[in-house]
Amino acid sequence: QSALTQPPSVSAAPGQKVTISCSGSSRDIGNNYVSWYQQFPRTAPKLLIYENRKRPSGVPDRFSGSKSGTSATLGITGLQTGDEADYYCGTWDSSLSAWVFGGGTKVTVL
Amino acid sequence: QVQLVQSGSELKKPGASVKVSCEASGYTFTNYPINWVRQAPGQGLEWLGWINTNTGNPTYAQDFTGRFVFSLDTSVSTAYLQISSLKAEDTAVYYCARDDLSLVRGVISHWFDPWGQGTLVTVSS
Repeated sequence: QSALTQPPSVSAAPGQKVTISCSGSSRDIGNNYVSWYQQFPRTAPKLLIYENRKRPSGVPDRFSGSKSGTSATLGITGLQTGDEADYYCGTWDSSLSAWVFGGGTKVTVL
Repeated sequence: QVQLVQSGSELKKPGASVKVSCEASGYTFTNYPINWVRQAPGQGLEWLGWINTNTGNPTYAQDFTGRFVFSLDTSVSTAYLQISSLKAEDTAVYYCARDDLSLVRGVISHWFDPWGQGTLVTVSS
């Protein structure tokens, strides 16, 4: 069981928007920054969002991140077939002194 | 460019050991910690721990003490993960990832970038 809770899957039609939630607690999300990772099948994860909402260079602005309290959200607008992947949130757990990930969310473009 | 390149796939028998390498290039190796993450078949990401590339001091996640050892060879900018007494449940893809960080309003922000391409370790008799 993952420390952070994500929905197993989300889906939408091309061009639409999806949001992926990442729920934690005061020991992790509530007091630390969240990052998000995109993983295509049989490839390594890639950084998508860091410091809750910042995008590395090269990541389209269709991807956005936010955080409120003990939850974080990844948004994808203008959904494309190329966005079909697994998405993971991650942050530091101050009580465990350990990095924790969410269980991952599979995005499907209908 | 900044990249991490890992060693190739391994097939091992239960009880054997394996050593996975992670070679860094494009940046000063000792300026950034290295994390290790594994992903069992069809499962999510699991953090194994990290190693301070400046001091060589490793930190292991609670479930990965004893059989898992992190080490370095800074002369070749390489981090290593050694797993001993392999079990079938160790079958997974093992990733190394650079720990990038910044200090934001008194709080350290961590993120993993880049990641190695992954090393599949299969444990089977």
